[in-house]
Amino acid sequence: DTEVTQTPKHLVMGMTNKKSLKCEQHMGHRAMYWYKQKAKKPPELMFVYSYEKLSINESVPSRFSPECPNSSLLNLHLHALQPEDSALYLCASSQDWYGGAVEKLFFGSGTQLSVL
Amino acid sequence: GQQVMQIPQYQHVQEGEDFTTYCNSSTTLSNIQWYKQRPGGHPVFLIQLVKSGEVKKQKRLTFQFGEAKKNSSLHITATQTTDVGTYFCAGPGSSNTGKLIFGQGTTLQVKP
Repeated sequence: DTEVTQTPKHLVMGMTNKKSLKCEQHMGHRAMYWYKQKAKKPPELMFVYSYEKLSINESVPSRFSPECPNSSLLNLHLHALQPEDSALYLCASSQDWYGGAVEKLFFGSGTQLSVL
Repeated sequence: GQQVMQIPQYQHVQEGEDFTTYCNSSTTLSNIQWYKQRPGGHPVFLIQLVKSGEVKKQKRLTFQFGEAKKNSSLHITATQTTDVGTYFCAGPGSSNTGKLIFGQGTTLQVKP
């Protein structure tokens, strides 16, 4: 299984809602990532988890709260988002993350989020 | 901070023509990766280059890493409609922080 599975594929939420994005991989990868991608732009790193511990937070606003319950699962909890947070949210995994080396990333198909 | 610049931003070609996208970094890269994102899809890893002057081929795709490890290119020979998409180069952030920094991407359109 070489897939990274993300749910839901589409999400529409109001600015007062609380929702969660889910990501799962069964490749035995020890590093998982959240990226945000606006239309016609490159992916932007949000968070890196290595061995279930948060290793990088790219100064992401606290209305985005990541969680890594185990090595196969990664969640992104959303609360009080703004319309400008509308984007494609991509989960990715890699075999490892050493803090210095960057291994190839396997991306999920993403969650297209719209904040009204 | 380290930046990865990619040109051109868009390229329209006739099917069968060749295509090249260029990636330049402001700092020396330990390695560079290339990804392809189809319209409506997600980035898919294509290749990683590590050595100075390295050249790798995948069928009609040729990847090069510059001698100074500050630039890279992707060349597609005889494009096909299946090559349509956005091609991103990506390199490690400065100070080996473990971050992968993506270039702005080159979007390729192929006219049949």
